[in-house]
Order: sequence, then C-alpha cells, then structure tokens
Amino acid sequence: EPEVTQTPSHQVTQMGQEVILRCVPISNHLYFYWYRQILGQKVEFLVSFYNNEISEKSEIFDDQFSVERPDGSNFTLKIRSTKLEDSAMYFCASSEAQTGALGYGYTFGSGTRLTVV
Amino acid sequence: ILNVEQSPQSLHVQEGDSTNFTCSFPSSNFYALHWYRWETAKSPEALFVMTLNGDEKKKGRISATLNTKEGYSYLYIKGSQPEDSATYLCAFPDYGGSQGNLIFGKGTKLSVKP
Repeated sequence: EPEVTQTPSHQVTQMGQEVILRCVPISNHLYFYWYRQILGQKVEFLVSFYNNEISEKSEIFDDQFSVERPDGSNFTLKIRSTKLEDSAMYFCASSEAQTGALGYGYTFGSGTRLTVV
Repeated sequence: ILNVEQSPQSLHVQEGDSTNFTCSFPSSNFYALHWYRWETAKSPEALFVMTLNGDEKKKGRISATLNTKEGYSYLYIKGSQPEDSATYLCAFPDYGGSQGNLIFGKGTKLSVKP
C-alpha cells in the first residue's frame, strides 16, 4: 500500500538553528499538509499546499515557517530560528482530493519528532 | 473557533471486552467526520470518513455511527484485542477555510490488556 514517508524520524536541534523536515507524499495525491502535535495537546493544522502554492495556513504558520515542493516529489517544511516551543511531532499528510464532503481521508506519514534544546 | 471533543481521554480494558468512545463536534454546517487510529511510532491511519446522518460504517471488529443533528459520533470495538491498543482520533473539517483542513480532537487512548 502506498505510504507517505518522512525523514528524519527524530531531530534534535539547538534553539535558533534552522531545520528542514522532509516528506515524500503519495505520487498521485494532489493536496499536501503539515500538522503538528505538541506533547499532550491536540494535533494542530499548520499549512496546506496545492498546485505548487500554499492554499491555507494557520496562525501558527508565521514567517518562521515555509514549505516547498522543490522537485515534484519531496515536500519540505523549513523552520527558521527554532524556538523551544517548536518542539513537537510534525506530521506530513497527503490526499487525493479535498477533505470534507468528498469523503477523502488523509494518508499520514509517521512523523518527525523535533526537539529544540 | 470550532472545537472537537473526545471522551474518555483514556480507557483500559481486558482482551475480549467490547468498548466504545465518543466524539462531539459542531452540529451546524456539517460536511464530514473522520476517524483515525494512531499506534505508537506509526502513522495515523484513516479508519472511516462519515458524511451522512445515521451512517454506520464497519471495518472488521470496529464500527462507527454518526448523528449530525446532535453532533456526535461513537466508535465501537467489539471483542478488543491487544493489537487494538492505540489512540483513536476524530477530526472535523474546518470549512472556515476553503480546503476543509481538519480540526482534531485530543484522542482516546485505548489500552487492551491480554
């Protein structure tokens, strides 16, 4: 069964450093997402991406964050100047079509656990 | 702000027990409700996407019902097995935006003892 692949599975970084989290979505999917879960809290939406541009972003997704699909397969999340509160599990997901009324679920990756020290 | 609530937060059952838990969501402007199973160190896996009031979906020993008028969904597991141990997440599309990005509940963590 097709999978969404995320690398690395764990990343430890010093506060103020930049990190890039990588994802390979399912090849025929058109919609891509980043979510995160801070320990003990709900999974939160960060950003959605369609047709090579951001389609929605949450309040969390400020200028510190950026996403890119550099080569048609990888989908990356860059966090500039990381803060302690960026420590979380970051999930990439993809879907064939929009969620909601069309009844399409997401396929999630297994996540990257980011620890900022 | 849309809110999705799940209860209980955690549940410990014995192998063979049947169990159920609840997801509450806004009853206005309903489009769909998603259920995911998330095992430790694995990807959250889509179980069901439910769209119709009164809908009931089944996957093996797991089933879910939906009441869109009162804003709740139940997930049932019949004859729980240790491999059912996971966190079960429900999620509701936020149509405040255009893509209906998902608002998640906090999840119900199920532990099944052999």
